[in-house]
Amino acid sequence: EDQVTQSPEALRLQEGESSSLNCSYTVSGLRGLFWYRQDPGKGPEFLFTLYSAGEEKEKERLKATLTKKESFLHITAPKPEDSATYLCAVLPGFQKLVFGTGTRLLVSP
Amino acid sequence: KAGVTQTPRYLIKTRGQQVTLSCSPISGHRSVSWYQQTPGQGLQFLFEYFSETQRNKGNFPGRFSGRQFSNSRSEMNVSTLELGDSALYLCASSRGTGPINYGYTFGSGTRLTVV
Repeated sequence: EDQVTQSPEALRLQEGESSSLNCSYTVSGLRGLFWYRQDPGKGPEFLFTLYSAGEEKEKERLKATLTKKESFLHITAPKPEDSATYLCAVLPGFQKLVFGTGTRLLVSP
Repeated sequence: KAGVTQTPRYLIKTRGQQVTLSCSPISGHRSVSWYQQTPGQGLQFLFEYFSETQRNKGNFPGRFSGRQFSNSRSEMNVSTLELGDSALYLCASSRGTGPINYGYTFGSGTRLTVV
């Protein structure tokens, strides 16, 4: 069964304190791994798609990496506006995304 | 450019009632997918429609149904509501079939509370 596990469930950082979020997955035939950001009361907002092991993508303070079993979302020098829930999802052979339950990130000034 | 519009934003229903949620995708997007989000289970796939045809369905009971119209707008219906159906229902649209080539854009969701 396709499965996605995200850790930690919650993370509190000081502004400027870099860290990483983990997404481990088991899936039959990975077609893509997605990272989304979700603010309270809103739908998920697309961040990255990674397609193969070794791939990396960056956007502002965020960098996503992918191995054959997990993905990391590195946050460098975070700011309070980076506070959100970060969701990881995988796309196996079918068209439906399989989501993890997310990491709630709180960045304090 | 308008995003994905979901209506209503909030709903309170009584057990046993039925409810219809609406989703208008981004103009030009022909694929609409529905997800249920709860604190314990996260986002779970309900179904996907493309050009008025259901292409994929998740593991939900038959009380959950949907359809897509010729203008790509989609509705989902839940009959005989149960307390456990309380959730945020999210709609996502895509230009092609599924997110792999074009990505998904999510709406802000409909918050359904069953009392």
